[in-house]
Amino acid sequence: DAGITQSPRHKVTETGTPVTLRCHQTENHRYMYWYRQDPGHGLRLIHYSYGVKDTDKGEVSDGYSVSRSKTEDFLLTLESATSSQTSVYFCAISEFGQGDGYEQYFGPGTRLTVT
Amino acid sequence: DQQVKQNSPSLSVQEGRISILNCDYTNSMFDYFLWYKKYPAEGPTFLISISSIKDKNEDGRFTVFLNKSAKHLSLHIVPSQPGDSAVYFCAASAGYSGNTPLVFGKGTRLSVIA
Repeated sequence: DAGITQSPRHKVTETGTPVTLRCHQTENHRYMYWYRQDPGHGLRLIHYSYGVKDTDKGEVSDGYSVSRSKTEDFLLTLESATSSQTSVYFCAISEFGQGDGYEQYFGPGTRLTVT
Repeated sequence: DQQVKQNSPSLSVQEGRISILNCDYTNSMFDYFLWYKKYPAEGPTFLISISSIKDKNEDGRFTVFLNKSAKHLSLHIVPSQPGDSAVYFCAASAGYSGNTPLVFGKGTRLSVIA
C-alpha cells in the first residue's frame, strides 16, 4: 500500500462543467502521475509531476491541466468536461524498487462520467 | 503508433498449468519493463520488472523473460491459480529514473479456470 487516495471515487457531471480530481499521498513521494484507462486503450499518461510546481505533459494532455502546490496533493482539472473525457482516472506515485529502477504504484481510481 | 503491444486480448488457462502472457515493443530506447495486474474496480498493482541488462527475473510464481533482439518479453505464471484471473498490463520506459514516463500496452485478460 503506497498510501494513495483519490477523491471523489465516482462522479457524474454535465458537459461543459469544470471538474477537479484529487490525488493525495502520505509518504512524501516526489513523482506523481495521472493516467486514464479506457477500453481498448490500456493506460495512457495525462500529466506527471516531478516535484512541487514541477509538472509535464503526457501522451493525452489536451483538455486537462494539473497543479501541485504541496508534495502530498496532485490535482487534475478538466476545465470544461466533454463526453470523450468519460473514463477511469488513476493517480500513481513512483519509488525506487527492489529491482533496477522505479516502480509505479497506483491509487484506487476515480470513475468519471460526463453526460 | 503503438509502442507496446499485447496482441492477445484474452487468455484462458486451467488451474495448475502455466500462463504465458506476451508483450512486444517497437521503441529500441526502452530499457526497463514492468508487468502490472489489475482487478475490476481497483488500481493496477505492480508485479515484476526487468531491466535490459538481464534476460530473466523471477519472483515466486512469476518470471519475466526479455528477448532484446526480438523486442519481446513474456510473463510466465506457474502454477496458475484462480486468483490470478485479472487483466495484465505490460509497460516500458526509456530510462530508470522516477520521471521517465511508462508506456503501457492495452492489456491481456487472463482467466484461470478451476
